[in-house]
Amino acid sequence: SQQGEEDPQALSIQEGENATMNCSYKTSINNLQWYRQNSGRGLVHLILIRSNEREKHSGRLRVTLDTSKKSSSLLITASRAADTASYFCATDALIQGAQKLVFGQGTRLTINP
Amino acid sequence: DGGITQSPKYLFRKEGQNVTLSCEQNLNHDAMYWYRQDPGQGLRLIYYSQIVNDFQKGDIAEGYSVSREKKESFPLTVTSAQKNPTAFYLCATQTGLGTDTQYFGPGTRLTVL
Repeated sequence: SQQGEEDPQALSIQEGENATMNCSYKTSINNLQWYRQNSGRGLVHLILIRSNEREKHSGRLRVTLDTSKKSSSLLITASRAADTASYFCATDALIQGAQKLVFGQGTRLTINP
Repeated sequence: DGGITQSPKYLFRKEGQNVTLSCEQNLNHDAMYWYRQDPGQGLRLIYYSQIVNDFQKGDIAEGYSVSREKKESFPLTVTSAQKNPTAFYLCATQTGLGTDTQYFGPGTRLTVL
């Protein structure tokens, strides 16, 4: 029942560069969320964007949502070594009569010093 | 990881044994979730509970069981019927119904010997 798919699967950049990750989904949504997961840890919520929003900012994070293309992007500006993590998008989907969050497989981001 | 605790952090199981993973929260959230994560993969929903004494199967419930006797607790039992239980297990909470932000515990890594 995968709803969101991230692209690329892995991304390696130099510290200070910007990192862009994309998420595509299949069915209409109420909102889309991005989460970060450090290796061996739980997920941490980064940002939620609702279907009637096109762009949202939080610190060095910028999220865009294009509902006509069923896609979202997460931009991390001025990357730091501490940004090294996996990033997941999560979309809501109607499954078995209930709204649930469905997570993609994630983008593994590596920031090289 | 907020007010969600999972124990133990690491768990080793012999084939044929049942094991129970603990998840406790002090966030006063109604909804609780169990996810399974395999290496390099996204999250798959095992079970979820929206209120005490009620729970629903997720996408991969076979070989697992849960209970929700208290609002604060949502233990997951991995039974011997689960043929490939080695994975990282994550518990999450949410304030209520719907698909807004989920809050994750630190996870339990289960290894079958």
